[in-house]
Amino acid sequence: DAKTTQPPSMDCAEGRAANLPCNHSTISGNEYVYWYRQIHSQGPQYIIHGLKNNETNEMASLIITEDRKSSTLILPHATLRDTAVYYCIVRVEVTDSWGKLQFGAGTQVVVTP
Amino acid sequence: DTGVSQDPRHKITKRGQNVTFRCDPISEHNRLYWYRQTLGQGPEFLTYFQNEAQLEKSRLLSDRFSAERPKGSFSTLEIQRTEQGDSAMYLCASSSGRGLNLYNEQFFGPGTRLTVL
Repeated sequence: DAKTTQPPSMDCAEGRAANLPCNHSTISGNEYVYWYRQIHSQGPQYIIHGLKNNETNEMASLIITEDRKSSTLILPHATLRDTAVYYCIVRVEVTDSWGKLQFGAGTQVVVTP
Repeated sequence: DTGVSQDPRHKITKRGQNVTFRCDPISEHNRLYWYRQTLGQGPEFLTYFQNEAQLEKSRLLSDRFSAERPKGSFSTLEIQRTEQGDSAMYLCASSSGRGLNLYNEQFFGPGTRLTVL
């Protein structure tokens, strides 16, 4: 599975959009981009995933560049409860894949009032 | 609460003692995973079960570690002769492994924090 590079930390003002970058320059054509987050003292929580098209759900939007070498997770209106470590993971997805996750160190996002 | 539960939440033990952790996955999830997380790092995969079968073990899982999932329901992770380096958060996750979606998200429990003195 390809490796990812994320900034170690970033701050965001409450109510503003948080844009979390992730580089995955060695991503293969069949590898998806996943985002999980981990709030302090809790287990990781799935946010979103995508292959090449931009994706949106109730939590966030995922923007993947055309060459797929980088992506951005967007939290449209950050709240204090979004303070967490955010992990960008790339992984092959095949039918019946059971899918172990390979986490990096992630980005510590602190949302300030 | 229908999420993944883990017990105990915290465990303090002395070096050389054996410890056992329990994970109860979401009901009817047939896939179960164990991860380990040390301070400042992301979780690292340890092992995976599909139903009662243990299908993969990481090289991190030394012979002092053993995991079981009898009857494909709850799982236990035992560490024998604990060492200080075993101090970490041990996370359990489950996923359904069914349905038309290729990806079935993993739902994580709150973890068991182990401290080896």
